[in-house]
Order: sequence, then structure tokens, then C-alpha cells
Amino acid sequence: SQTIHQWPATLVQPVGSPLSLECTVEGTSNPNLYWYRQAAGRGLQLLFYSVGIGQISSEVPQNLSASRPQDRQFILSSKKLLLSDSGFYLCAWSSGGAPNEQFFGPGTRLTVL
Amino acid sequence: QQQVKQSPQSLIVQKGGISIINCAYENTAFDYFPWYQQFPGKGPALLIAIRPDVSEKKEGRFTISFNKSAKQFSLHIMDSQPGDSATYFCAASKGPRRDNDMRFGAGTRLTVKP
Repeated sequence: SQTIHQWPATLVQPVGSPLSLECTVEGTSNPNLYWYRQAAGRGLQLLFYSVGIGQISSEVPQNLSASRPQDRQFILSSKKLLLSDSGFYLCAWSSGGAPNEQFFGPGTRLTVL
Repeated sequence: QQQVKQSPQSLIVQKGGISIINCAYENTAFDYFPWYQQFPGKGPALLIAIRPDVSEKKEGRFTISFNKSAKQFSLHIMDSQPGDSATYFCAASKGPRRDNDMRFGAGTRLTVKP
């Protein structure tokens, strides 16, 4: 069966510091991968998605970037965090054969102080 | 732009009652409509989904009703239980496609009182 991991689970960072969040998927190959941000009490905002290694599409311009160095690894980064980057970050995957069905990881709670 | 509108924002139901959450979409090209359940501090979990070739889909106590002409769909939770207390998100996408166009509603916080 497929599983998706995210780490760290929680993170507290000062403004201006760098960020690296990691997501890995097990039990599948060539998945579509997604990064979402969820602000407190709000819906899901798609940040990036990837259909393959090195292929990244951005939904909204922002202070963040994403990379996919391996087939089942997706990384969310920032060079300098802003207060507004605080939120709950979710990684998700879908199968190339059933791209509509997205499955989410446990999330990373980021607080920027 | 908000392509999927969800209501209500919050909902309180007594144990054993029926919880109803509604969503409306704009893009007629959408053809996949999932519902996700999210508990505090956890990632959303796919609950149930429907495609527009059927008007209703039932899985246990959860039912999706779909009205293609009205561009609306809803989640019904029968015999609601305190363990159902969570935030529910509807979504819509078109496919099958490898890129992403899943659009989520803003969520409904459901509280089931014992």
C-alpha cells in the first residue's frame, strides 16, 4: 500500500530564516506530487505541483519554491521566511492512472515568529 | 478565484441527526467531486467521491447527492456521531489529467453533540 510522509511535523522559525520541508511517497512510482498551504480555519491553497522529476509548476507567485530531486521526493523551500508564511503545509500525491484522487500527508505546522 | 463555494461554514448537529453540507461549482468541465474529512492537526482524508454520471453515491452513513443542472452537490451524514466531528472539504476537478486543477471549498466545521 502507498504511504506518504512529511517532516518535520512542527517547526518554529524566525523571520528571515531558510526553510526546507520534505515529503516522500512510498509504494508507488511516478506519482503526481502537490504542496498545499492551509491557513488557520481556511481551505486549501495549492502552491506547487509536479508531474515528474524536475518538473515543477507554480500556482501562485510567492516567497516559496519547490523541487523534485527524486521520483518520490518533493521539497518545499524558502530562502527567507516571512510572517505570512506561517500555516499548515500539506503534501499530497496522486497516481498517474487516477490523477483526480489525491491523498494527503500528515502535514507540517510552520510558525514564523 | 473561488470556483467551488461551500456552505455552511460551521454546523452543529445532535447525535443521531443528519448533517448536510452543500457545495456549488462554476466550471462545467469539472467531472470529479470528492469530499475530504480532516481532523485537527491531521491531513485531509478522502471520504467519498462522485462523478457526474450518477446522481447519488452512498458509502455507509455518507451519501453524496449530485445535481448536474444546478451545478451543486452535497454531503449527507446520516446518524451523525461525535466521532464525525471534523472539518469537511468539498472539491472539484476535471480529468483525467496529470496536472492539477483540483479546487477546494473553504471547509465546513462539523460538531456533533452527544
